Amino acid sequence: AQKITQTQPGMFVQEKEAVTLDCTYDTSDQSYGLFWYKQPSSGEMIFLIYQGSYDEQNATEGRYSLNFQKARKSANLVISASQLGDSAMYFCAMREASSGSARQLTFGSGTQLTVLP
Amino acid sequence: NAGVTQTPKFQVLKTGQSMTLQCAQDMNHEYMSWYRQDPGMGLRLIHYSVGAGITDQGEVPNGYNVSRSTTEDFPLRLLSAAPSQTSVYFCASTMGSNQPQHFGDGTRLSIL
Repeated sequence: AQKITQTQPGMFVQEKEAVTLDCTYDTSDQSYGLFWYKQPSSGEMIFLIYQGSYDEQNATEGRYSLNFQKARKSANLVISASQLGDSAMYFCAMREASSGSARQLTFGSGTQLTVLP
Repeated sequence: NAGVTQTPKFQVLKTGQSMTLQCAQDMNHEYMSWYRQDPGMGLRLIHYSVGAGITDQGEVPNGYNVSRSTTEDFPLRLLSAAPSQTSVYFCASTMGSNQPQHFGDGTRLSIL
């Protein structure tokens, strides 16, 4: 079974609107963490936001927030007030306490977001 | 602060050739890792290291070797390149399990 599932290969959003990128995960660990990364067309991987499994509050970082629903095993990224520079590939990733080092990441296949002017 | 530095940025090899992708970090991070990125598949872990002298295999280790003689450096070796190893390779480092991984800019490798 896929550990990280991103069901939206591509998404379009109008500039200044909010957009939600979906991520569901599969783990039997109690301790795990979820990360979102942005990959613009230039290719680098940019860290956006982190949510720990024991965190009671949803993580927020500026225009990025994470809608964490533990029972549903989902960790959706919400981008508010989209900007043209938000056009990029977005990856959801998970680290599990039971993994060899508790620090290695499993990535989803990504969502290509295009912001329209 | 350089962060994670990968060299080279681009490389073309012929089948059967060997080469080493270099990765260096200046953040004193214990954990370093190598991923490959193929179209439509996200990033997959090749090898990782939790400290100098300690390495282990990830999801797709076949055809690759690593070593970690210092905290700073974590080279990835292709012993006999195959067309299936055509990919973009990323090196990453982190200190703690709740800390984000810092990625290098990637190496785009083509095997003919």
